[in-house]
Amino acid sequence: EIVLTQSPGTLSLSPGERASLSCRASEMVRGNYLTWYQQKVGQPPRLLIYATSSRATDVPERFSGRGSGTQFTLTIDRLEPEDFAVYYCQQFGSPPFTFGGGTKVEIK
Amino acid sequence: QVQLQESGPGLVRPSGTLSLTCSVSGGSLSPYSWTWVRQPAGKGLEWIGHVDYAGTTNYNPSLESRVSISIDSSKNQFSLTVRSVTAADVAIYYCARFFSVDFRGWYYFDDWGQGILVAVSS
Repeated sequence: EIVLTQSPGTLSLSPGERASLSCRASEMVRGNYLTWYQQKVGQPPRLLIYATSSRATDVPERFSGRGSGTQFTLTIDRLEPEDFAVYYCQQFGSPPFTFGGGTKVEIK
Repeated sequence: QVQLQESGPGLVRPSGTLSLTCSVSGGSLSPYSWTWVRQPAGKGLEWIGHVDYAGTTNYNPSLESRVSISIDSSKNQFSLTVRSVTAADVAIYYCARFFSVDFRGWYYFDDWGQGILVAVSS
């Protein structure tokens, strides 16, 4: 199975700063079928980005995704207070559709 | 956008069987696939498996020997069964819609239930 390693584990930033989250795959993700979710405490995950770089409906433009092969990045420009949460990547290149371990973006 | 709601016992005995149902409202099960994901407290997400509207399933190999997912279109529901449960199965269980468009390479879980906490204890 494809193992996704997210780094850093925790990112401490201030509102208005840029967040850069990494998701590295143990092997190439077929088709770059890489998805990102945001999860807040007590809530289910929320879809943010699919197919590496396509924003889901109603996701603000400050969220962007890029990457290919085994290295993918989620960038959040100008952090808003509601962006502090845990972020997960997931690959759909081959089953099982594994998730990364998550990156927590916390207020510095 | 559809609404999903998990239901089932919140407590299962060790070595027993966990059975959960996901009720879908605001849309039809067809032509989508439907998935289960779980999350131990304070930990990450684990994909359990999915079922398409025709009943074809795909499971995580780590759970495949103990898991079944089925679909009931007449009730607009799909279900999860986990057999021989242990403490390692304690988690919040989420159901979600698995949206896919193969020729576009679109794959994602878009609509999620709120989750149901399942504990294992005698």
